[in-house]
Amino acid sequence: DAGITQSPRYKITETGRQVTLMCHQTWSHSYMFWYRQDLGHGLRLIYYSAAADITDKGEVPDGYVVSRSKTENFPLTLESATRSQTSVYFCASSDGTSGAKETQYFGPGTRLLVL
Amino acid sequence: AQSVTQLGSHVSVSEGALVLLRCNYSSSVPPYLFWYVQYPNQGLQLLLKYTTGATLVKGINGFEAEFKKSETSFHLTKPSAHMSDAAEYFCAVSRANNLFFGTGTRLTVIP
Repeated sequence: DAGITQSPRYKITETGRQVTLMCHQTWSHSYMFWYRQDLGHGLRLIYYSAAADITDKGEVPDGYVVSRSKTENFPLTLESATRSQTSVYFCASSDGTSGAKETQYFGPGTRLLVL
Repeated sequence: AQSVTQLGSHVSVSEGALVLLRCNYSSSVPPYLFWYVQYPNQGLQLLLKYTTGATLVKGINGFEAEFKKSETSFHLTKPSAHMSDAAEYFCAVSRANNLFFGTGTRLTVIP
């Protein structure tokens, strides 16, 4: 099915462990984004990518690493998870050349709990 | 700098009543403005967006919003609430490749 998918949907990990959240889209959209959603903060942009091999920081990038070797995939890695990274993570994609000015299509989210 | 303020983290309305969700933004340049809706345990989906042109924007499910530059507002309205409108609503403003979201308003519809 076409769309944007995220895996896993739920993840429990321990402080200090490395965790990778996966995001896959089938539309060949050029832009992809990672957000975290926390109570009282709404959604905040972690990283975005304008195309394969082009990534840039968003509002809250510390503690996260991204890569984009293929247009359709945009994994987010927490190199050493901390409790403050407990959150719901959303991946999104958009078409066109204007990045965040275009409509973004969101995945279902990954709930991450860091113990 | 960009910021979005949504007044009221929780709004309750009776079924059939007017829905009004408030959003104010700050922007040093003409903004692109969005309203997204999030149903429980789902991602966000676009309700409507303002880019340029007509200041009254119509979206899906009977929602509309009006861009008022003088008031730096982009309030979301719907004339008659339906039970299926119960969700969380986010206002957002874009600049460059960043989308800045408000903290959200949870809408409850009372039967």
